[in-house]
Amino acid sequence: AQSVAQPEDQVNVAEGNPLTVKCTYSVSGNPYLFWYVQYPNRGLQFLLKYITGDNLVKGSYGFEAEFNKSQTSFHLKKPSALVSDSALYFCASQPRSNDYKLSFGAGTTVTVRA
Amino acid sequence: EAGVAQSPRYKIIEKRQSVAFWCNPISGHATLYWYQQILGQGPKLLIQFQNNGVVDDSQLPKDRFSAERLKGVDSTLKIQPAKLEDSAVYLCASSLGTSGSQETQYFGPGTRLLVL
Repeated sequence: AQSVAQPEDQVNVAEGNPLTVKCTYSVSGNPYLFWYVQYPNRGLQFLLKYITGDNLVKGSYGFEAEFNKSQTSFHLKKPSALVSDSALYFCASQPRSNDYKLSFGAGTTVTVRA
Repeated sequence: EAGVAQSPRYKIIEKRQSVAFWCNPISGHATLYWYQQILGQGPKLLIQFQNNGVVDDSQLPKDRFSAERLKGVDSTLKIQPAKLEDSAVYLCASSLGTSGSQETQYFGPGTRLLVL
């Protein structure tokens, strides 16, 4: 069975400060890991994914994520947050097998204040 | 490149009524997914098609939900009869290939359903 956990329902940061959104995974084997962002009344937008190789993955809009196998984490980061980054962020995992189902976390609401 | 299209964007119905949602995936994408997103939760896969065949419908409540993708392009998801707990956002997504694993899924804007 696979699952992801996003331990924080909400993250609040000031514009210009670093932003971190946490995600831990619990799966058998090394899963593929994804981050999506959802703006109000819109669908999910793909940010980045970890398949293999370099543990630091760079994605859209200045976001990056670090895969940490020993801590089973895949935290999303941005060095300097913008007010426009305020949205709902989802982490998702997919096993490296024929079961290709994406399992999403519950989401983390990010608010960046001016 | 046009994204995934969905209609309607919003729907309000009474319980026991029926409703249908439509999705047109990104051109050339072989795999299509329907997700249910209940408020405060992450999306949950309902059904996955590869071309016009069903790959996974294990989480689809088949007593009331049905879906089809007749020509391997657009798809329809139907609920009949609707229950209060079906109130959610229904998201359609598509991906390019048929391998499933590691492929990026691209999502439409969703249909927000309210059952009264």
